[in-house]
Amino acid sequence: QQPVQSPQAVILREGEDAVINCSSSKALYSVHWYRQKHGEAPVFLMILLKGGEQKGHEKISASFNEKKQQSSLYLTASQLSYSGTYFCGTESQAGTALIFGKGTTLSVSS
Amino acid sequence: NAGVTQTPKFQVLKTGQSMTLQCAQDMNHNSMYWYRQDPGMGLRLIYYSASEGTTDKGEVPNGYNVSRLNKREFSLRLESAAPSQTSVYFCASRGGHSGANVLTFGAGSRLTVL
Repeated sequence: QQPVQSPQAVILREGEDAVINCSSSKALYSVHWYRQKHGEAPVFLMILLKGGEQKGHEKISASFNEKKQQSSLYLTASQLSYSGTYFCGTESQAGTALIFGKGTTLSVSS
Repeated sequence: NAGVTQTPKFQVLKTGQSMTLQCAQDMNHNSMYWYRQDPGMGLRLIYYSASEGTTDKGEVPNGYNVSRLNKREFSLRLESAAPSQTSVYFCASRGGHSGANVLTFGAGSRLTVL
């Protein structure tokens, strides 16, 4: 079952902050975040594992609430390069396939 | 080091024709995946292979078949293409990155079925 992402779209000016949310109806082992620029493939940003461990991008932070099966991606002091579509992918057990949400489109202007 | 290579990049088919999308990775990853991307629908899993010799259905497997030829290669076949299969197809492999198993995607294959 696809995780639900919100909001669907965000429009920012450079320097502003944004939060993208991802929620699942199933218990989760991990949450992944990927960013896709127009016409390109998705690229890995961040992984959050059950138990609190997280690995990924230095300038982007995220949280994972295991009890609520929710994750949030925090984009602070946004830059033009942050524009793109952000996808969360969830994994219910270690080693199972990632199921992605429908994405959140972020547009950053100067 | 090419990562994940998909061929072809573009293809136009007529309804009822068949074709195979090829995918190869050179990162020695065990798991490989096929996703399709349609506007507003995100990335939907078609099939995946957790290891050489195994394949499993994903969210939208109808109309597709897959073959895990060896550890490097995972192909996706459309036996009788339909306009509903017009989409961008991404192959991905999963393996170590900064200590975690994450997906590396190919550049995508844009398929149009007329």
